[in-house]
Amino acid sequence: DTAVSQTPKYLVTQMGNDKSIKCEQNLGHDTMYWYKQDSKKFLKIMFSYNNKELIINETVPNRFSPKSPDKAHLNLHINSLELGDSAVYFCASSQLSGVVAGELFFGEGSRLTVL
Amino acid sequence: QKEVEQDPGPLSVPEGAIVSLNCTYSNSAFQYFMWYRQYSRKGPELLMYTYSSGNKEDGRFTAQVDKSSKYISLFIRDSQPSDSATYLCATDNQGGKLIFGQGTELSVKP
Repeated sequence: DTAVSQTPKYLVTQMGNDKSIKCEQNLGHDTMYWYKQDSKKFLKIMFSYNNKELIINETVPNRFSPKSPDKAHLNLHINSLELGDSAVYFCASSQLSGVVAGELFFGEGSRLTVL
Repeated sequence: QKEVEQDPGPLSVPEGAIVSLNCTYSNSAFQYFMWYRQYSRKGPELLMYTYSSGNKEDGRFTAQVDKSSKYISLFIRDSQPSDSATYLCATDNQGGKLIFGQGTELSVKP
């Protein structure tokens, strides 16, 4: 039973399109994240949510809109896709909800390719 | 300057070798340090978690933090082909997020 699951695993789309990635965790954690990993494997935080509330928005273009319908789900919608959005997007969750993030549990990633 | 710097490699070693992976960080206030392992096409998973300075050992893996020089190390003894992966160091900025190094790609040849 997968702890953090993301769908879809692969997306290939044209510039200008809109796409969504969904994430669900069954660990009972309060905090969820979106991280972006570029082609050089550099992993950078985009957003974090604690119990459906946005906590961190790391100066991401507003074409990216996260949504957390409940604390077990965190989705990412991307409008007007650009070539530079091509990356692997990881969802993660953690048990801690204070200033210390603690151990992050990652999904397997959603590989987005923008043509 | 990035907050966490890591040599991306790639690093290739023969099976049985001792592997040393290193990172430096810029903010002396950082207290929590981690090493994550990421296999190809998978998500990162936590390997070691340390607080402040000192060593932590877990089987063939030893994590070391030297806060005086802002240096984080991971040592792998008797490396195995199954250790082939990308290793990412990370620190907790105590503002609710982890900051990762670029990752070092390790290949252990049989």
